[in-house]
Amino acid sequence: KAGVTQTPRYLIKTRGQQVTLSCSPISGHRSVSWYQQTPGQGLQFLFEYFSETQRNKGNFPGRFSGRQFSNSRSEMNVSTLELGDSALYLCASSLVVGDNEQFFGPGTRLTVL
Amino acid sequence: AQSVTQLGSHVSVSEGALVLLRCNYSSSVPPYLFWYVQYPNQGLQLLLKYTSAATLVKGINGFEAEFKKSETSFHLTKPSAHMSDAAEYFCAVNPRGGNEKLTFGTGTRLTIIP
Repeated sequence: KAGVTQTPRYLIKTRGQQVTLSCSPISGHRSVSWYQQTPGQGLQFLFEYFSETQRNKGNFPGRFSGRQFSNSRSEMNVSTLELGDSALYLCASSLVVGDNEQFFGPGTRLTVL
Repeated sequence: AQSVTQLGSHVSVSEGALVLLRCNYSSSVPPYLFWYVQYPNQGLQLLLKYTSAATLVKGINGFEAEFKKSETSFHLTKPSAHMSDAAEYFCAVNPRGGNEKLTFGTGTRLTIIP
């Protein structure tokens, strides 16, 4: 059974640009969550999607957005990139919302110059 | 709000020695608790989880954790450290029965001394 896949694995952007990250959950998993990991702030929850609907949202500015498609794949978008957006973005999938086990992908390393 | 505190951002142990990584949680009711491990340039891998079935939880790679309600703790242990255990470990909490996200501790970097 394939795990959670994230593309791309590495990304370099400049300030002011926008970026889209993709996540494919484990087959059959319908809930996808996104987390940002930085040395200073640690792991912080961005948002969670289930059945194409955002069910939970963390404390991030509106520049961070996401969506989920009918096949449960999810994308997150960051507009007007700032240096502080440099981070490892992790996607996790679970069977349903509130499921007590989330499976993580390898992450996308975003560097903003 | 739920939270977890990991005591010690860096822990070093000798190969073959006991590994003890500390985690305390804050919750009005016993939550779901997890330990994840992260190797360099990788995502998080679940080591073990507590969901109330048993207070002593055994996980992968010889790790185990004991849920102690009276101490609001969920410390991770391994009797004998191996070089391959060097990684960063995260304790996380999820409210029982809710649809809220995982809240992570700040992590503990484990170094194994040969």
